[in-house]
Amino acid sequence: AQTVTQSQPEMSVQEAETVTLSCTYDTSESDYYLFWYKQPPSRQMILVIRQEAYKQQNATENRFSVNFQKAAKSFSLKISDSQLGDAAMYFCAAYSGYSTLTFGKGTMLLVSP
Amino acid sequence: SQTIHQWPATLVQPVGSPLSLECTVEGTSNPNLYWYRQAAGRGLQLLFYSVGIGQISSEVPQNLSASRPQDRQFILSSKKLLLSDSGFYLCAWSSGQGITEAFFGQGTRLTVV
Repeated sequence: AQTVTQSQPEMSVQEAETVTLSCTYDTSESDYYLFWYKQPPSRQMILVIRQEAYKQQNATENRFSVNFQKAAKSFSLKISDSQLGDAAMYFCAAYSGYSTLTFGKGTMLLVSP
Repeated sequence: SQTIHQWPATLVQPVGSPLSLECTVEGTSNPNLYWYRQAAGRGLQLLFYSVGIGQISSEVPQNLSASRPQDRQFILSSKKLLLSDSGFYLCAWSSGQGITEAFFGQGTRLTVV
């Protein structure tokens, strides 16, 4: 079984600032993917970024980047130049084995002007 | 391109009534299919997943069941709803080939009264 833990129920950031959301995971698989999903008030789940476990290089998508520490089983999301539209619930997820995608409990990100 | 349809968007049902939520995927074959529940705007709980027609795995014992009568159709059902079944239900699919991200439907907000 795999677990995903997000220890920050809520985070706040001001526009144009940088914020980091934390995530730790545990899996016995050697081949797995990690994801960050965003859920805005519409509740549509949107993929923000993905990381293949076998890649040492941290994934980056525009203002979003991850800090993947495989030995520590840590996968944090950094949002640079935060915008009002970044306000949402963010979920960390792990996908390994054949069929299951496991989510953390989420971190609510508040962005203030 | 692939699309996922989930309906209805909202549903209000009395306690003890039956439930049927439907999810269909277009543009892909042999997808892995998932039903998640999100209670109180927080984490996603995996309810069922399926890797093929008629193959259903249940993650938690509950008042719900799932079926996959066709390759790209996934149905969540209940014979008698409980108040505790209220929540936001999300259907998702991922490729059956390798490990990839999951793509989500728009969700169904179920209120049991």
